[in-house]
Amino acid sequence: DAGVIQSPRHEVTEMGQEVTLRCKPISGHNSLFWYRQTMMRGLELLIYFNNNVPIDDSGMPEDRFSAKMPNASFSTLKIQPSEPRDSAVYFCASSRRHTDSGNTIYFGEGSWLTVV
Amino acid sequence: AQSVTQLDSHVSVSEGTPVLLRCNYSSSYSPSLFWYVQHPNKGLQLLLKYTSAATLVKGINGFEAEFKKSETSFHLTKPSAHMSDAAEYFCVVSAEIKAAGNKLTFGGGTRVLVKP
Repeated sequence: DAGVIQSPRHEVTEMGQEVTLRCKPISGHNSLFWYRQTMMRGLELLIYFNNNVPIDDSGMPEDRFSAKMPNASFSTLKIQPSEPRDSAVYFCASSRRHTDSGNTIYFGEGSWLTVV
Repeated sequence: AQSVTQLDSHVSVSEGTPVLLRCNYSSSYSPSLFWYVQHPNKGLQLLLKYTSAATLVKGINGFEAEFKKSETSFHLTKPSAHMSDAAEYFCVVSAEIKAAGNKLTFGGGTRVLVKP
């Protein structure tokens, strides 16, 4: 199995630019999660989808952030406009069913974003 | 509500000596508990999980954890540390919450340093 695939792995962008992070979940998984990791705040859940539908987006910091899941094999997290405080590692993760708390959530390798 | 407390932000051990990483949790539901490891510049990898079966759980790389409901603890141990165990470790609680689905709550992480 290829695992959760994220792109880009690293991105450096200027403040004000649009950033799009991409994720391909593990085939057969129908729950997808976006997390952000920073030194100050640790791991934070931004949003998660079940069967391509957003279930909980209460962790999305503000309107500059948006996420979509147009089909079962692809999701995007967009930041527009980006700000230096958005610099972080963004992880995508997937699991089989969101209503079974014992299901393992598998993480991608992360997208390392630096906004200058 | 649920929460996870990792009692040590940093642990330093000598190679070949035991490792103990402490985790306490609280949850209003019957939780599942996980330990993940994150090596530098990598994503999170599942070490082991507890899902209401045996209270002593064995994971990869010689790690194990014991679920103690009376103490609300899920401490991670390994009898003999290896240099490759140097990483950050996260204790995670997951509970199915109606209408909110499967929510993961992460501890703050414990960074393990292994001395030769």
